[in-house]
Amino acid sequence: AQKITQTQPGMFVQEKEAVTLDCTYDTSDPSYGLFWYKQPSSGEMIFLIYQGSYDQQNATEGRYSLNFQKARKSANLVISASQLGDSAMYFCAMREGWNTGRRALTFGSGTRLQVQP
Amino acid sequence: DSGVTQTPKHLITATGQRVTLRCSPRSGDLSVYWYQQSLDQGLQFLIHYYNGEERAKGNILERFSAQQFPDLHSELNLSSLELGDSALYFCASSVDTGNQPQHFGDGTRLSIL
Repeated sequence: AQKITQTQPGMFVQEKEAVTLDCTYDTSDPSYGLFWYKQPSSGEMIFLIYQGSYDQQNATEGRYSLNFQKARKSANLVISASQLGDSAMYFCAMREGWNTGRRALTFGSGTRLQVQP
Repeated sequence: DSGVTQTPKHLITATGQRVTLRCSPRSGDLSVYWYQQSLDQGLQFLIHYYNGEERAKGNILERFSAQQFPDLHSELNLSSLELGDSALYFCASSVDTGNQPQHFGDGTRLSIL
């Protein structure tokens, strides 16, 4: 089974509007972390936001927020007031088994977001 | 700028050859991770080093090996290269505490002709 599922291969959004990128995950580990990364066409991977499994509140970083629904095992990224520069590939990733020493990230297949003027 | 430096940015070589990719982690980060991004397999974890010691292996082929040196820089060695090894190879570093993310370098794009 896929550990990280991103069901939206591509998304379009109008400039200045908000957009939600979906991410569901699968783990039996009680201790895990969820990350979102942005990959522009230039190729680099840029960290956006983090949510820990024990965090009580949804994470926010500027225009990025994470809609964390633990019971549903979803960690959707919300980008508010989209900008043309937000056009990129977005990856959801999970780091599980923190207490067992595992540190590597498992990535989803990504969502390509295109912001239209 | 993530603070993680990868060289070279691009590498073009032929099947059967051997290449070495280099990574310098962010100052203070003891962990180095290598990932491979290809069109068919997506982003996959290869190997993790912490302070010079191998900590975990992912989907790393036997033809691939890595090491982390005392100055914490790391090298990924790819040998007997095949066409399917063409990919973007990322190095990431982290302090590996709590909620700290992995910071990625810009990657090395390897093309096998």
